[in-house]
Amino acid sequence: NAGVTQTPKFRILKIGQSMTLQCTQDMNHNYMYWYRQDPGMGLKLIYYSVGAGITDKGEVPNGYNVSRSTTEDFPLRLELAAPSQTSVYFCASTLRRDSNQPQHFGDGTRLSIL
Amino acid sequence: DAKTTQPNSMESNEEEPVHLPCNHSTISGTDYIHWYRQLPSQGPEYVIHGLTSNVNNRMASLAIAEDRKSSTLILHRATLRDAAVYYCILRDYAGGTSYGKLTFGQGTILTVHP
Repeated sequence: NAGVTQTPKFRILKIGQSMTLQCTQDMNHNYMYWYRQDPGMGLKLIYYSVGAGITDKGEVPNGYNVSRSTTEDFPLRLELAAPSQTSVYFCASTLRRDSNQPQHFGDGTRLSIL
Repeated sequence: DAKTTQPNSMESNEEEPVHLPCNHSTISGTDYIHWYRQLPSQGPEYVIHGLTSNVNNRMASLAIAEDRKSSTLILHRATLRDAAVYYCILRDYAGGTSYGKLTFGQGTILTVHP
């Protein structure tokens, strides 16, 4: 069972470069989320999507963009990378938003911006 | 989102029970109590959740106080693989305007000694 798959696992970027973090899930989940986790901290929500074509901002959206053209894929784009975006990025999905549904997480993308 | 309070760290010996506490004095009547854990270098994984009654599954047990202002995650026999950060999270049962997102605190770092 693949679940939530994130690529790449690691990446080093230079300041000002851009990149796309990929996330795909094979569980036909409607809800998808991007979180970032800074060292020693809990996860913070960047963007979320409630279905194909529908996205919205979370707590820390500045410097990021998302799209959701299919149910399976929810890529996160960094434009003009900055050192403050050095973090571990997690993608998650869930079938419904009610609290009886657990969220399923990928293994993360570790991003360093130098 | 209602706030939870957890100890920063706890230690246990292998094969002994572990009781991880969580205080949530401002919990509302529609909040479920969820527990996730994050193993080193992995994304969070769902452990257990409950509303009012104690809950058991293959991973752990959840004991909820009668007034619901606190709860305890119980690992019956800790193994080295249980060393992780454990997060106690409150979620509105219907998702509400949170759209199913999880609000992570700093969690409890559990160390298991051989």
